[in-house]
Amino acid sequence: NAGVTQTPKFRILKIGQSMTLQCTQDMNHNYMYWYRQDPGMGLKLIYYSVGAGITDKGEVPNGYNVSRSTTEDFPLRLELAAPSQTSVYFCASRRDRGGSPLHFGNGTRLTVT
Amino acid sequence: ELKVEQNPLFLSMQEGKNYTIYCNYSTTSDRLYWYRQDPGKSLESLFVLLSNGAVKQEGRLMASLDTKARLSTLHITAAVHDLSATYFCAVEETSGSRLTFGEGTQLTVNP
Repeated sequence: NAGVTQTPKFRILKIGQSMTLQCTQDMNHNYMYWYRQDPGMGLKLIYYSVGAGITDKGEVPNGYNVSRSTTEDFPLRLELAAPSQTSVYFCASRRDRGGSPLHFGNGTRLTVT
Repeated sequence: ELKVEQNPLFLSMQEGKNYTIYCNYSTTSDRLYWYRQDPGKSLESLFVLLSNGAVKQEGRLMASLDTKARLSTLHITAAVHDLSATYFCAVEETSGSRLTFGEGTQLTVNP
C-alpha cells in the first residue's frame, strides 16, 4: 500500500507563478485534508474534503484552491505565489470522522522567492 | 473557533527521567489525537482518545483525556534518546470534520 502520495517533494517558485501540489491516496478514504506547516510551528488547515465533489475552507484558505473530482485525488492549487506561502505542505486522509486518525503524506517543501 | 494549546513548547530532559506534556483545548470535544514528527519527516499517529477518562499506552508513552477539564496529557516514563521528536496533539470538532493542531512540543532527550 502506497498510502498518501504527494508530489513534488520540493519546489521553488518565483513570486507570481502558479503551481499545483498533487495528492493521491489508495486507501479509499472519503476525508482528505491539506495543511501547511511553517518552520517550528504547528499545522494550519487550508482546505478539506469529506468526499468527491465536496470541499470546504479551513483556517488559512486565502491564496489557495482545491478540487475533489475523485475519491483518490485532492490537488491544491496556488495562484500568484507569494513569499508568505513558503512552507511545508502536508496532505492527509482518513477513513471517516469521529475516531479515525489522519494518515499523512511525506510533504511538499515549497519556497517562493 | 477551537484553540489548542500545548505546553511546554520545548522540553529538554535527561534519559531515565519522567515528564508530562499538556494539551488544553477551548471547546467541547471528546476526540483527541497525538502525533509524533521526526525532524524533516511527516507525522505519525500515536494515540486516539475518544472518551472522558480514556487512557492509551505504548511503550514509554501514555496518553490520557479529561474532557471535563478539556485537557489531555502525554506522559513519558524513563525517557530514552529515541523519543526525541516533536509531539503534536490535535482536537476534532464534535460537530464537524476538522482537526485543529497544537503548536507542538519539541522534545530532546539527552544522554
